[in-house]
Amino acid sequence: GENVEQHPSTLSVQEGDSAVIKCTYSDSASNYFPWYKQELGKRPQLIIDIRSNVGEKKDQRIAVTLNKTAKHFSLHITETQPEDSAVYFCAARGGSNYQLIWGAGTKLIIKP
Amino acid sequence: DADVTQTPRNRITKTGKRIMLECSQTKGHDRMYWYRQDPGLGLRLIYYSFDVKDINKGEISDGYSVSRQAQAKFSLSLESAIPNQTALYFCATSPGLTYGYTFGSGTRLTVV
Repeated sequence: GENVEQHPSTLSVQEGDSAVIKCTYSDSASNYFPWYKQELGKRPQLIIDIRSNVGEKKDQRIAVTLNKTAKHFSLHITETQPEDSAVYFCAARGGSNYQLIWGAGTKLIIKP
Repeated sequence: DADVTQTPRNRITKTGKRIMLECSQTKGHDRMYWYRQDPGLGLRLIYYSFDVKDINKGEISDGYSVSRQAQAKFSLSLESAIPNQTALYFCATSPGLTYGYTFGSGTRLTVV
């Protein structure tokens, strides 16, 4: 069936450095790719999304890139700050019922 | 953000008991979802509904049932709770296929 693989499962970066999380999807018909941030004990919150007709989208320090040919998309966070520490989930909409297929999550740790 | 409200926030119940988790939303979205989150396993879809008369099973619906009482209300029931249903449960809403989800604050359920 359809799946989304997310790497790495844990990422530790120095404050101020950049962080990149990558997801690969299997369904070539997928057309919508959101990223969610979940802080400890809180709900997942949408931080950025991209549709299949766009290759890149930016919002301040975060950006998402999409490579439809290779079927992967990535989250880029620049100038990381302590408040960026959280679990990040990618997802892809596709499949026979057009539901979001979720990655397993990446725990991002920002070291002071 | 009180747009998607889940009750209760925390619940401890005994094995074999019936329990209902409730979700209500003020966002006016037609699409509603119930997810389960276990540590290290990300988000798994239990049931989803596109409108009051439309209910669909997700990937892990066994042992669960749902009721869509109105556009704004979507309840999840565990008919006979078992310990491996101990998890964090999230309700989510969406306005359409290529839009992100808004999650509720979650219900932490413990079955003893």
